[in-house]
Parts: sequence; C-alpha cells; structure tokens
Amino acid sequence: AQKVTQAQTEISVVEKEDVTLDCVYETRDTTYYLFWYKQPPSGELVFLIRRNSFDEQNEISGRYSWNFQKSTSSFNFTITASQVVDSAVYFCALSERNSGYALNFGKGTSLLVTP
Amino acid sequence: EADIYQTPRYLVIGTGKKITLECSQTMGHDKMYWYQQDPGMELHLIHYSYGVNSTEKGDLSSESTVSRIRTEHFPLTLESARPSHTSQYLCASSSLAAQYFGPGTRLTVL
Repeated sequence: AQKVTQAQTEISVVEKEDVTLDCVYETRDTTYYLFWYKQPPSGELVFLIRRNSFDEQNEISGRYSWNFQKSTSSFNFTITASQVVDSAVYFCALSERNSGYALNFGKGTSLLVTP
Repeated sequence: EADIYQTPRYLVIGTGKKITLECSQTMGHDKMYWYQQDPGMELHLIHYSYGVNSTEKGDLSSESTVSRIRTEHFPLTLESARPSHTSQYLCASSSLAAQYFGPGTRLTVL
C-alpha cells in the first residue's frame, strides 16, 4: 500500500505564480518524520525540509512554506512567486521509527515553471 | 551540505558482468541506505544498514547484495548484470531521521 500519496503528477505554472504541491501520508506509528526533496534534471536529490510528528508548526523558508496537518495527514508544500529554477520533480517522503527510519517516497510531482 | 559520495557516476556495461557501486560517507552515520529509481519515477528502498555488519533487504526485491564492513562504506554489488538492472542507484546516510543523498550512479546494462 502506498504510504505517501502525491496526487498531482505534473503541474505547469507561469513564472511568479504561487503553486502548492500536495502530500498525504499514512502511518500507524506515533513517531515519524516527513520530508520534501527536490530532484532537478541533473538527478541529485536535494533535501528541503524535515518535520517530526510532534511538531505541527508550519514553516517558511524564503519562498518556500510547508503546512503540516496531522488531522488530515497532509504535509503540503507551497512555492510563492515561482521561478524557472524551481522546475524539478518534488518528492514527499515519510520515515517511521518502526521501519528504521528508511524513507518511503511518494511518486513525485513534476513541476514546470515557464517564463 | 552532507559529505556522501558515489562512484562511478555513470556506468555502461554488458550483460553478465559483475559490478560494484561504491558509496561512502564521512559523517560517521550509522544508518545507510540504497534506493533504486527509474527515470522520473519514485524511489524504492532496496537495502539498508543500521551499522557495521548489519544489512537488511528493503521493500523492492533486488538481485543485488550489500556489505557493511566499515561505518563509512556501503557498497552494492550485482553479480551478473542484466538490462532490467538499468536504473539510477542512490545511496543515502542518516543521522537520526535526516537523510542525505549521494549524487547517484546511472547504470545502463546493454
């Protein structure tokens, strides 16, 4: 069963638009972590953020913000004023204590930002 | 920035060859992982290790094997490569629950 669901396969926006990438997760563990990674065309995985299950405080980092809601098991990612350099595949991932903290990835959302 | 290295970055080999993909990290992390990713697709865990002399299979069935003789080194071996092994292989290490990835090895088996 898919533990992390990223329903949006592809999103295309015009530069300067705001865009939200959705992530819904499933776990029975009380201790878990949620991540977002960016994978540009070059293929490396770039760590963006980690949140633990005990901290629902939303976070903002520059143009990036994350909304963690345990009530809906969601961890959505918003890019404000998108730029062409934001074009990449974005992966949401879950790690659980019961699984040795190995990452369980969603299928990814491909974001294309056009000028 | 995390210090995790993978070699080679690109490899093209013929069917039946034995290959070893290298992964090393200088952060002293106990946990290390190998993921397989087809282009544009999700990552699948194939092996992980909790520390020296510890290796476990991941969720995705894999014909590869791993070893963990030293903390910093976690090589992955394919005894007899096949075209179905063509993929990108990503190594990661973690401190508690923050995982850092290497640049990956893109393997093509002809």
